[in-house]
Amino acid sequence: EIVMTQSPATLSVSPGERATLSCTASQSLGSNLAWYQQRPGQAPRLLIYGASTRATGIPARFSGSGSGTEFTLTISSLQSEDFAVYYCQQYNNWPPYSFGQGTKLEIK
Amino acid sequence: EVQLLESGGGLVQPGGSLRLSCEASGFTFRSYAMSWVRQAPGKGLEWVSIISTSGTNTYYADSVKGRFTISRDQSRNTLDLQMNSLRAEDTAIYYCAKGSSPVIAANFFDYWGQGTLVTVSS
Repeated sequence: EIVMTQSPATLSVSPGERATLSCTASQSLGSNLAWYQQRPGQAPRLLIYGASTRATGIPARFSGSGSGTEFTLTISSLQSEDFAVYYCQQYNNWPPYSFGQGTKLEIK
Repeated sequence: EVQLLESGGGLVQPGGSLRLSCEASGFTFRSYAMSWVRQAPGKGLEWVSIISTSGTNTYYADSVKGRFTISRDQSRNTLDLQMNSLRAEDTAIYYCAKGSSPVIAANFFDYWGQGTLVTVSS
């Protein structure tokens, strides 16, 4: 089973600044990694798939990078609606389809 | 517009059973794998189960294997999760999620329902 580790657990950033979130896999995933955003009280929303492809309707300030075992989600110029919890998910080796434990992005 | 609407959640005693349903619309239901993902209160996301387009192939997380059964009804565009022998640790919001692929392998989840809350308590 692939274990996904996200860091940091909590990230405090000021609006307008850049946020960088990390996700590490216990085995190589190629580019089979997705990122999700979950706002309080809402369902998760797909942001990125294939490690770097934005999903439909996702603003360009969201970008993903990485391959193998190390991945990064970058949010440039944070907006108020971006403060949420972010999860990575691997879909290379399954079952199970494993998620990271999440990174909470909070307002500094 | 893709819509996934879950129902069937509620309060159930330990050892009891519950059946969740997800009504899908806005896409060709029979053409995509479908999944259930859950989230315990204040916790992260946990994948539960996935079913192939035909319903022939199913997979489960070890935590629910042998207790939960996923199924789909192509005529009604619905996805179901039969949950038996429920435990306190099954308490969670259960989300229905559309797979990205027509094959059961290598799916991310591009659309999610709003979830239904299952509480297992005496």
